[in-house]
Amino acid sequence: AQSVTQLGSHVSVSEGALVLLRCNYSSSVPPYLFWYVQYPNQGLQLLLKYTTGATLVKGINGFEAEFKKSETSFHLTKPSAHMSDAAEYFCAVSDRGFQKLVFGTGTRLLVSP
Amino acid sequence: DAGITQSPRHKVTETGTPVTLRCHQTENHRYMYWYRQDPGHGLRLIHYSYGVKDTDKGEVSDGYSVSRSKTEDFLLTLESATSSQTSVYFCAISGGQAPGETQYFGPGTRLLVL
Repeated sequence: AQSVTQLGSHVSVSEGALVLLRCNYSSSVPPYLFWYVQYPNQGLQLLLKYTTGATLVKGINGFEAEFKKSETSFHLTKPSAHMSDAAEYFCAVSDRGFQKLVFGTGTRLLVSP
Repeated sequence: DAGITQSPRHKVTETGTPVTLRCHQTENHRYMYWYRQDPGHGLRLIHYSYGVKDTDKGEVSDGYSVSRSKTEDFLLTLESATSSQTSVYFCAISGGQAPGETQYFGPGTRLLVL
């Protein structure tokens, strides 16, 4: 069965600092990997996804993630945090069959001035 | 934004009562999903649909049923609500089975079972 582990339920950074949110997955087949963002009282919005091809994926709002098969990781990064990045971030994995997503437990990003 | 609406957006009900949540889409997407979101658990799949009248169970389907009589509507029913079903419920849609198909999420329904 597929699973996703997100290390750290809360991550705090200062405005302008590097953002690093960690995601490790378990899958018996090559996975599809996703990062979603959830702002307060809203639904989830896709930040980026990895399907095939280039392992460094760029998404919206300056975020990017790198698929590392050897480390079974798909960490999310942003060079410089903005106050508007404060939200909850979810990593998700699906297999190459029917599109069912398995989500991690989420990481809440706190950005201080 | 994908055209997904959920109703009601907030609901308070009592234990033992039936509750129906509605998801409506205007994208003509084939696949629809119901998730629940709970602290410490992320989102978990309840049921999904791959076409009109075609549905299947997800990870946490006990106590829930679904129906899809039209492409645009996917209903989630709690036959007899329990306090453990207090949660935020999200509907999602996707267009097909292309590799890495994106799921688009609705705004959510916050349900409190007293």
